[in-house]
Amino acid sequence: NAGVTQTPKFQVLKTGQSMTLQCAQDMNHNSMYWYRQDPGMGLRLIYYSASEGTTDKGEVPNGYNVSRLNKREFSLRLESAAPSQTSVYFCASSERWGATYGYTFGSGTRLTVV
Amino acid sequence: QKEVEQNSGPLSVPEGAIASLNCTYSDRGSQSFFWYRQYSGKSPELIMFIYSNGDKEDGRFTAQLNKASQYVSLLIRDSQPSDSATYLCAVRDTGNQFYFGTGTSLTVIP
Repeated sequence: NAGVTQTPKFQVLKTGQSMTLQCAQDMNHNSMYWYRQDPGMGLRLIYYSASEGTTDKGEVPNGYNVSRLNKREFSLRLESAAPSQTSVYFCASSERWGATYGYTFGSGTRLTVV
Repeated sequence: QKEVEQNSGPLSVPEGAIASLNCTYSDRGSQSFFWYRQYSGKSPELIMFIYSNGDKEDGRFTAQLNKASQYVSLLIRDSQPSDSATYLCAVRDTGNQFYFGTGTSLTVIP
């Protein structure tokens, strides 16, 4: 099925460990996004890539880095995980920047940092 | 800080009733408005979007927008137990940035 694929679905990290969350879309979308969702906080934008070759910070970028590997793939890296980064992470994509028709979300990664 | 406000609920309605979900936003220049449904443990799924003042209907769902009052709502007619979920309101501002509300939890009681 066409859509946005995220891996892994679940992950437990120890404080200070690093990891990369992978995201790929097969809808030929130009724009991709990483969000985190925390109880009572809603969805908050971490980083986005308006088009292949560009990346920009969102609302909560500290502690994260991203790579737009090609048009399909957009990865999120935690260099030194902290308990405050325990969250559910969603990758999303849209046809173009501005998401005229909204986002398509991946299934999410549940990350726990202990 | 631009804000999108939703009543967190929970909102409970009997099966077959109309569920009314509300959202207010702070940026008067906001252009587009979206409603997402999120089942527990799942990702948000787009239900509807609306750009112009008035009503937009899609099956059992109706989105209503009043830009003067900075208010957008979602009506679900003939509510079903399968509609039980959290509903997220999202707003796109003039800079094409999206802002999400924290969601309203809806329970449809059989």
